[in-house]
Amino acid sequence: EAGVTQFPSHSVIEKGQTVTLRCDPISGHDNLYWYRRVMGKEIKFLLHFVKESKQDESGMPNNRFLAERTGGTYSTLKVQPAELEDSGVYFCASSQGLWAYGYTFGSGTRLTVV
Amino acid sequence: KQEVTQIPAALSVPEGENLVLNCSFTDSAIYNLQWFRQDPGKGLTSLLLIQSSQREQTSGRLNASLDKSSGRSTLYIAASQPGDSATYLCARYNFNKFYFGSGTKLNVKP
Repeated sequence: EAGVTQFPSHSVIEKGQTVTLRCDPISGHDNLYWYRRVMGKEIKFLLHFVKESKQDESGMPNNRFLAERTGGTYSTLKVQPAELEDSGVYFCASSQGLWAYGYTFGSGTRLTVV
Repeated sequence: KQEVTQIPAALSVPEGENLVLNCSFTDSAIYNLQWFRQDPGKGLTSLLLIQSSQREQTSGRLNASLDKSSGRSTLYIAASQPGDSATYLCARYNFNKFYFGSGTKLNVKP
């Protein structure tokens, strides 16, 4: 079974540019989550999709971040325009049900804004 | 506010030592407590999950305990090996999401 796939693995962009991160969940997993870890801080929840609908977006930091999940399959997280404080590692996870042991995390996208 | 604190932030031990990583949380209304391992450039690997009705879980050389009354969890690693070097994260699971601690970076020296 393929795991959660994220790409790119690394991205370096200039302040003010746009970056789009992609996450492919495990096939059949209705739940998709985005988390991020910024420098020196703990990993924090961003949002949760159930299929194509946003179930919980309480962790989205501001309106420069836009997450979509087309057709309930893969998801994208766009940052526009990127700021220096957006640098960090963005993790995606998916699960079939709403229980902790069903979660699978991707390896993350390391975003560096210069 | 649901805070998770991990102590120490970093730990360096010689191979073969037994060690304990600590995790504390502010809200005792916990549903699940999970320990993860993260290797550089890799994702989060689930190690042990303790459900709210349980007190501990064991897998090989790892043992995790949960004390809800004191708001603490510990991860015990027996006979540490260089391959155990990684960052260990504890996280509580409530309301369909994880709340993570900042992790303990473990280095096991050969």
